[in-house]
Amino acid sequence: AQTVTQSQPEMSVQEAETVTLSCTYDTSENNYYLFWYKQPPSRQMILVIRQEAYKQQNATENRFSVNFQKAAKSFSLKISDSQLGDTAMYFCAFIGIQGAQKLVFGQGTRLTINP
Amino acid sequence: DAGVIQSPRHEVTEMGQEVTLRCKPISGHNSLFWYRQTMMRGLELLIYFNNNVPIDDSGMPEDRFSAKMPNASFSTLKIQPSEPRDSAVYFCASSPGQGGSGANVLTFGAGSRLTVL
Repeated sequence: AQTVTQSQPEMSVQEAETVTLSCTYDTSENNYYLFWYKQPPSRQMILVIRQEAYKQQNATENRFSVNFQKAAKSFSLKISDSQLGDTAMYFCAFIGIQGAQKLVFGQGTRLTINP
Repeated sequence: DAGVIQSPRHEVTEMGQEVTLRCKPISGHNSLFWYRQTMMRGLELLIYFNNNVPIDDSGMPEDRFSAKMPNASFSTLKIQPSEPRDSAVYFCASSPGQGGSGANVLTFGAGSRLTVL
């Protein structure tokens, strides 16, 4: 079974700083997708960024980028020039391409951006 | 597209009552998922459907929970009878579920917050 682990329950940085959220996962599959979702206080789950395992290039979306290390099964999220609106819970998630099509989530990291 | 629509947004009920949560997926999406979120257990997949057919309901906690998808545009999650430990936020999500790079990208509804007294 796939598992996703986020080892940082909470993080806090100052506005405009760069912050990196960690995520590791365990799977025996070779092809899969990885995601970061953001959940602000409104509780809406918002897709931040996704990475296909077969792509070596790390995904980027404006201020958000990932460091995908397939061999190490690591998938960290870097937020550059952090903004107050980035304050939220961040969830790392995994879904396999073959077999069960279930999106498995980590426990989340609560990120606070301080003014 | 209006996205995934869930109702009600909030529900407060008493123990023993029946609760029905509703979901309208994004038009054209073939896969639908029900998740439950609690502080203790995080986000748990309860059940998911492909083309209206339940594929995996191993996450449904017990027989008090049931889910249906009578057509491609509607799904329900029912709890009968409800108990205080069922208090949580219930999310519905849908995905295209077909080939292509976006097949496995889930779009979530706003969630239904259930409180069972």
